[in-house]
Amino acid sequence: DAKTTQPTSMDCAEGRAANLPCNHSTISGNEYVYWYRQIHSQGPQYIIHGLKNNETNEMASLIITEDRKSSTLILPHATLRDTAVYYCIATGNQFYFGTGTSLTVIP
Amino acid sequence: DAGVIQSPRHEVTEMGQEVTLRCKPISGHNSLFWYRQTMMRGLELLIYFNNNVPIDDSGMPEDRFSAKMPNASFSTLKIQPSEPRDSAVYFCASSFWRGGWETQYFGPGTRLLVL
Repeated sequence: DAKTTQPTSMDCAEGRAANLPCNHSTISGNEYVYWYRQIHSQGPQYIIHGLKNNETNEMASLIITEDRKSSTLILPHATLRDTAVYYCIATGNQFYFGTGTSLTVIP
Repeated sequence: DAGVIQSPRHEVTEMGQEVTLRCKPISGHNSLFWYRQTMMRGLELLIYFNNNVPIDDSGMPEDRFSAKMPNASFSTLKIQPSEPRDSAVYFCASSFWRGGWETQYFGPGTRLLVL
């Protein structure tokens, strides 16, 4: 299973774009990249996922590099409610959540 | 859609007592997952079912833990006897399995405290 590496924490100003990086250099060709977030001990919430192409939905955009070794989750206009722990997951034999990035949106 | 439903939301019990956590997956989903989250170990997969059959229980910490899924709309995670180190938040998630790992949708969790 491919493991992911994320920064422990990040800050972002309210209204600005939050760009959360993830390294998954050992990802295999059939493994998807998933992003979840967890707000204050609530259940993890699905955000977006992708395989090769960039993806966008109402919550965020996902940019995957051409070699698929890294990706970036983009929250285009961060709000205070986006303060959460963000998990990047490379699917393999199971979902491995890791420690995630704690994003703090600052007023 | 009601989402994944878990009960109870909070449970406080004494060491040695039996604890039963319950989960109702999203209707139509055929996979169910039990996770445990602690500060020390993060979010860990305990066991998952496909079509009511346990597929991988390698994450179950020890024999005190057991899980069942008698039908497509209900699952239980039981701890007997409970110990203080079992204190954690237990999440249930469900997905629609098509042969690979699909998007999982999580319930609100059960916060367990064993005294």
